[in-house]
Order: sequence, then structure tokens, then C-alpha cells
Amino acid sequence: NAGVTQTPKFQVLKTGQSMTLQCAQDMNHNSMYWYRQDPGMGLRLIYYSASEGTTDKGEVPNGYNVSRLNKREFSLRLESAAPSQTSVYFCASRRRELPPTDTQYFGPGTRLTVL
Amino acid sequence: GNSVTQMEGPVTLSEEAFLTINCTYTATGYPSLFWYVQYPGEGLQLLLKATKADDKGSNKGFEATYRKETTSFHLEKGSVQVSDSAVYFCALSVKTSYDKVIFGPGTSLSVIP
Repeated sequence: NAGVTQTPKFQVLKTGQSMTLQCAQDMNHNSMYWYRQDPGMGLRLIYYSASEGTTDKGEVPNGYNVSRLNKREFSLRLESAAPSQTSVYFCASRRRELPPTDTQYFGPGTRLTVL
Repeated sequence: GNSVTQMEGPVTLSEEAFLTINCTYTATGYPSLFWYVQYPGEGLQLLLKATKADDKGSNKGFEATYRKETTSFHLEKGSVQVSDSAVYFCALSVKTSYDKVIFGPGTSLSVIP
């Protein structure tokens, strides 16, 4: 039981390059989330997917796109990376089915640097 | 809107010292309150939570009490260990939308032998 896994762990991009961050969970959770973590700002929600087939914007969606590929996988894409997107990115999941839980389970994170 | 404020770090303590990390919140309705912990190089994990006023969450020697009258959820531990060195995040979610978790900025704790 791996929980929430993310790839890659580290990535360096040049401004304007694109990349996709991958996330998968094996807990059969319906809801999945992408956050970014910046010093002094806590975690901010980028996008979330309440269930397979749906996605919604969070607090800071600009510059990102997401795909809920299936129940297990939720990817985050940067089409044209900018230095402001240098951050640590976390994926999380939550059980939405009855009984729902308010607890989110996090992956280990992807540390992204954009030069 | 909903928000979480927690004390600025970093906090450095000697082993066996008493720990308090303050957290206050602003929210409509009656939120659930959480403390998440992030150990070096890892993702966040739930440390404890409380879902209604006067509830006390506890885990691994840490405690926090949901105080509605002071809108606070302070984290305490009587005797910290080196292994408690981590970043601690206070957070809330309103029951109508568990998808929208509001995190505080985090407090970094270093415990020295």
C-alpha cells in the first residue's frame, strides 16, 4: 500500500519549457488535489478533482492545467514554465464516499526549479 | 473569508522542553481544525484534529483543544524530542466543503539535544 506517489521528485526547467507532474493514489479515493508550497505561505490549492471526470480551480490556477486520467491518477501540467512557478508541489487525496472523511493524504512532493 | 494564523518560526527548543505553537482562525460556521506535520523531505501527514468546540485532539504526545470562544487551536507537547523536528501546519476546513482546506504558513521546529 504505497498511498500517494508523485513523480518526479526533483525537476529543473528553463523558462518556457513544459512538463507534467504525475500523481497516483491506491486508496480508492474519489477526491484528489494539487497544492504548491512556498516559504511563509503554507500550502495553496492549485486545482482539485472532486471525483473522476471533474476538475475545479483552486486559489492559484493560473499557468497550470490538470487531467484526471482515471480514479487513481491526477496530473498537473505546466505549459510554459515561469520562474514564479519555482515551488514544491504536493498531490493529495481524500475519501469522499460515505462516510466521507475530512482528512487529506499527501504525497512526498516534487521540488521544481524554473531558471 | 476563512483564514488561519499561526506563530512565526523558526522555533528552537532543547530536548524535553515544553512546546506551544499558537494557532488562531477565522471561519464562518463551525470548521474542523487540524494540525499537519511535515518531516524533512516528506509530504504532510495528519497529526491530530478536532471537529467541534471543546474537542481535544491528541497523538504522539501532542495535544490541541478546539476553543470556539477564542477561535484558537494551539498545539502543545510536554516534552519534545529531537525526532519532533519538523514543520507544523495549522489548518481548517468547513464542513460544507472539505475540498477547501485552508493552511497556515507553517511553523518550523528544531529540537536540539
